[in-house]
Amino acid sequence: AQSVAQPEDQVNVAEGNPLTVKCTYSVSGNPYLFWYVQYPNRGLQFLLKYITGDNLVKGSYGFEAEFNKSQTSFHLKKPSALVSDSALYFCAVRATKAAGNKLTFGGGTRVLVKP
Amino acid sequence: GAGVSQSPSNKVTEKGKDVELRCDPISGHTALYWYRQSLGQGLEFLIYFQGNSAPDKSGLPSDRFSAERTGGSVSTLTIQRTQQEDSAVYLCASSLDGSNTEAFFGQGTRLTVV
Repeated sequence: AQSVAQPEDQVNVAEGNPLTVKCTYSVSGNPYLFWYVQYPNRGLQFLLKYITGDNLVKGSYGFEAEFNKSQTSFHLKKPSALVSDSALYFCAVRATKAAGNKLTFGGGTRVLVKP
Repeated sequence: GAGVSQSPSNKVTEKGKDVELRCDPISGHTALYWYRQSLGQGLEFLIYFQGNSAPDKSGLPSDRFSAERTGGSVSTLTIQRTQQEDSAVYLCASSLDGSNTEAFFGQGTRLTVV
């Protein structure tokens, strides 16, 4: 069975400092990995994905994520956080078609960026 | 439509009543998911439809929950004999296919069972 772990319930960071949100996964075969953000009282918005190729992927709003196969991780990063980045972040994994295709989410990490 | 549409946006129902939640996916998307989110917490997988394949129902919490997808488009999630623990936001998402394409989410239906 596939799974996603986001070990931190909450991450606090000062505005202008680097932001990292951690994600590790477990899946059979090669993974497809995704990050989503949920602002208060809003739906989930897609940020970025890793499918294949370059391990560093860039997405919306200045976010990027690094795929590390040996550590089965896909941490989300932003070099300089903004107060407006305060939100709930979800990592998700989908196995290849042969393994069922279900999109599984982590428990979420709340990010609080303080001015 | 431009995005995934869910209706109603809010539903208050009495314990023991049945409810139907509707999801209208993005046109042409073959994959459709239902999730449940309680109080800004994580997403609990409920059910997944992919094209004409049998749906993955492994996340449905009890036999009071069922879902169908008619004509490969609109989906309805039905909860029978609702209980207070069913109160949550029910989210629907669709993706172009079931592999490497991202899922797009609707705004959700907030269900409150009183």
